[in-house]
Amino acid sequence: QKEVEQDPGPLSVPEGAIVSLNCTYSNSAFQYFMWYRQYSRKGPELLMYTYSSGNKEDGRFTAQVDKSSKYISLFIRDSQPSDSATYLCAMRDYGGSQGNLIFGKGTKLSVKP
Amino acid sequence: GAGVSQSPSNKVTEKGKDVELRCDPISGHTALYWYRQRLGQGLEFLIYFQGNSAPDKSGLPSDRFSAERTGESVSTLTIQRTQQEDSAVYLCASSHDLNKGELFFGEGSRLTVL
Repeated sequence: QKEVEQDPGPLSVPEGAIVSLNCTYSNSAFQYFMWYRQYSRKGPELLMYTYSSGNKEDGRFTAQVDKSSKYISLFIRDSQPSDSATYLCAMRDYGGSQGNLIFGKGTKLSVKP
Repeated sequence: GAGVSQSPSNKVTEKGKDVELRCDPISGHTALYWYRQRLGQGLEFLIYFQGNSAPDKSGLPSDRFSAERTGESVSTLTIQRTQQEDSAVYLCASSHDLNKGELFFGEGSRLTVL
């Protein structure tokens, strides 16, 4: 079993839809959870960063962490064509090398006008 | 520059040749990372530098891979005797505040080994 599982998609939705992206993980030591967005032929950029279980909201984006289920989600409200990208979850534990973020494979999202 | 700069952006080489990839991090960022991203795959950690501490090389896949960093500036990733399975995008990232989990990535060096 891989440490981080993420459905690669592709996921295609109409403009304005609510998008739900998810990752599951197996390592209960993971404490820090991130979502990165990667446009085609670009490097990833940080969207959301969470530490504890619960929800964190930033504009149209909501990150949700459920440590008991080892499950994290990213919700995008009122999705726009400009949201079309690959979304990667990332996580690391507290005691391990701070350099070693574990990334999911990424989910490719397409928002159709 | 304002962001992480990587060169070359594209490199095509023949199997068995050595390649060198360069990363210029954001000024003032003490942490620097190299990741590999194969087509359709996630990011694979290779190596991490933090200030003057010994680098974390735990992700390097073989002894053909090595990386250096001079102080808190430029880093080079060297792949010796390249193989076709080395074909990937090599991403460099830098960070100044690991507590925020934010890595700033360059656009990557796309390596194709024929």
